[in-house]
Amino acid sequence: AQSVSQHNHHVILSEAASLELGCNYSYGGTVNLFWYVQYPGQHLQLLLKYFSGDPLVKGIKGFEAEFIKSKFSFNLRKPSVQWSDTAEYFCAVKSYNFNKFYFGSGTKLNVKP
Amino acid sequence: GAGVSQSPSNKVTEKGKDVELRCDPISGHTALYWYRQSLGQGLEFLIYFQGNSAPDKSGLPSDRFSAERTGGSVSTLTIQRTQQEDSAVYLCASSLDRAGETQYFGPGTRLLVL
Repeated sequence: AQSVSQHNHHVILSEAASLELGCNYSYGGTVNLFWYVQYPGQHLQLLLKYFSGDPLVKGIKGFEAEFIKSKFSFNLRKPSVQWSDTAEYFCAVKSYNFNKFYFGSGTKLNVKP
Repeated sequence: GAGVSQSPSNKVTEKGKDVELRCDPISGHTALYWYRQSLGQGLEFLIYFQGNSAPDKSGLPSDRFSAERTGGSVSTLTIQRTQQEDSAVYLCASSLDRAGETQYFGPGTRLLVL
């Protein structure tokens, strides 16, 4: 079975610091990759996704992620975080041939103003 | 409405009681998913409906859990003889049934079993 690992469970940063959240998955075939975000009191929403093509994906609010196939990774980055980025971030993987999504355990990001 | 809706938003029940959780997907979305999110855990896949095909029930944790989707739209997740470990947030998501399509999540039902 596929699995998704998010190594950082809780990250605390000051505003303007750079962010990188790790995501690794275990599946050898073609995958679709997603980052979802859950802001306090809100439901999960898509931040960005990789389907095919350019492995560097840009999403909303200045986030980007890079798909590195050889490392089975899809790390999320943002050059300068804001207080409003405080949220929980989930990485998800879907194999190309199946519609089941596998989610990581999430990373809680706390940005101090 | 434009998004996925779920009801109730909160449910408190006693151990041993049955509960039903409802999900209204986005109109036109043929794929529907149920997940469970326990405290400090990621999203645990429960069941997936795809159009008129047989659902993928591989994530249901026990035979106390069942789900149905009527008319290809509304779905109900039923938990029989609830246990305290069933306490969690139950999330529903829907999508167009095409490769690479984004899932849209509902707000969830927070279930507490006393």
